[in-house]
Amino acid sequence: TQLLEQSPQFLSIQEGENLTVYCNSSSVFSSLQWYRQEPGEGPVLLVTVVTGGEVKKLKRLTFQFGDARKDSSLHITAAQPGDTGLYLCAGEGNQFYFGTGTSLTVIP
Amino acid sequence: DAGVTQSPTHLIKTRGQQVTLRCSPKSGHDTVSWYQQALGQGPQFIFQYYEEEERQRGNFPDRFSGHQFPNYSSELNVNALLLGDSALYLCASSRLAGYQETQYFGPGTRLLVL
Repeated sequence: TQLLEQSPQFLSIQEGENLTVYCNSSSVFSSLQWYRQEPGEGPVLLVTVVTGGEVKKLKRLTFQFGDARKDSSLHITAAQPGDTGLYLCAGEGNQFYFGTGTSLTVIP
Repeated sequence: DAGVTQSPTHLIKTRGQQVTLRCSPKSGHDTVSWYQQALGQGPQFIFQYYEEEERQRGNFPDRFSGHQFPNYSSELNVNALLLGDSALYLCASSRLAGYQETQYFGPGTRLLVL
């Protein structure tokens, strides 16, 4: 059972386009993390959001935690080929629950 | 400062065999978590060790067991391997600090069961 559902599952876009990835759940989490994972490697933490409604920016990436702390979104502006990878959200409860993942491909 | 290291990087076993995977946490970290990541899916939590004891466990059978040593390194053991155990096994370390635990992942061990 996946507590966190991500959409879309796959995304292929042209360099320079904008995109948004969604992470949804019916459960409340004390914090939510976003990771990026490249083939053959472990996930790398991008950001942790803690407060409902919180917005964090990391260069061209904008992360938002839902007001009810059940969902989150990741927006990338002017995507670049280096953004290609598997994006994972993870909610913290009594353990970390990972989402299903969004595989992003940015075409030069 | 070395990050999280795992060994071996790749492993091939046959059904019914047993396997041991190893993890060394990031310097200063005292908590180790293990995850199973099937191809094309997100990681699934197996268990977490702190102070040499299993602190939390996910929905995995008893064939999956672990151990944490005094130096905080950890092992994951899987007995009676099944084809479905083929996956990337990830180790993550953290420093237990209240309710917010930032995890750092190792590169993983890719296990193939034939």
